[in-house]
Amino acid sequence: GAVVSQHPSWVICKSGTSVKIECRSLDFQATTMFWYRQFPKQSLMLMATSNEGSKATYEQGVEKDKFLINHASLTLSTLTVTSAHPEDSSFYICSAIRDRDRDEQYFGPGTRLTVT
Amino acid sequence: AQSVSQHNHHVILSEAASLELGCNYSYGGTVNLFWYVQYPGQHLQLLLKYFSGDPLVKGIKGFEAEFIKSKFSFNLRKPSVQWSDTAEYFCAFSNTGNQFYFGTGTSLTVIP
Repeated sequence: GAVVSQHPSWVICKSGTSVKIECRSLDFQATTMFWYRQFPKQSLMLMATSNEGSKATYEQGVEKDKFLINHASLTLSTLTVTSAHPEDSSFYICSAIRDRDRDEQYFGPGTRLTVT
Repeated sequence: AQSVSQHNHHVILSEAASLELGCNYSYGGTVNLFWYVQYPGQHLQLLLKYFSGDPLVKGIKGFEAEFIKSKFSFNLRKPSVQWSDTAEYFCAFSNTGNQFYFGTGTSLTVIP
């Protein structure tokens, strides 16, 4: 159990367009999900904490108007990269905390975004 | 500022060698501590975690870690590594607000 999926796994978009990434908890409810960004050979950088039914909490330095997060249900959070630029190219990973124990994060497989 | 530092960026070992990866965190309050592993081409998986109790915790695949509160450390160990342990290892902690912070990772290469 405790599987998290992401869609798409890889996306290429043109500069100036927007792209949406979905994160789903497949077999558990997750009030809280996290969005991370991972640069090559580097660690995960927490971008924001997504809470179902409320506004996301963004980390310092992360533009909330650029990275729109919507946690519309207990199993789905979406990250929309608006007006994407090449510097937004990265690996985006989501994770979820299972509501019933909240003691561990379960990670999705990640989404590779390439902005041309 | 809250942070995690991992001292070894890239470790190369021969099979059967012993492993110890250092991890120190910076946070003044109560923490939960984790080690995650990312095998090539796969997503992050939990190796082990510490919440409270015995500071020596055992995880999957023969890994263990020891929490030393006075040193703010949570080093990962394995007495005898295998080629299949080749992966990226991340130390992390979470605070009372359930925010997670990760170290920069250690790349482990095990030579058969």
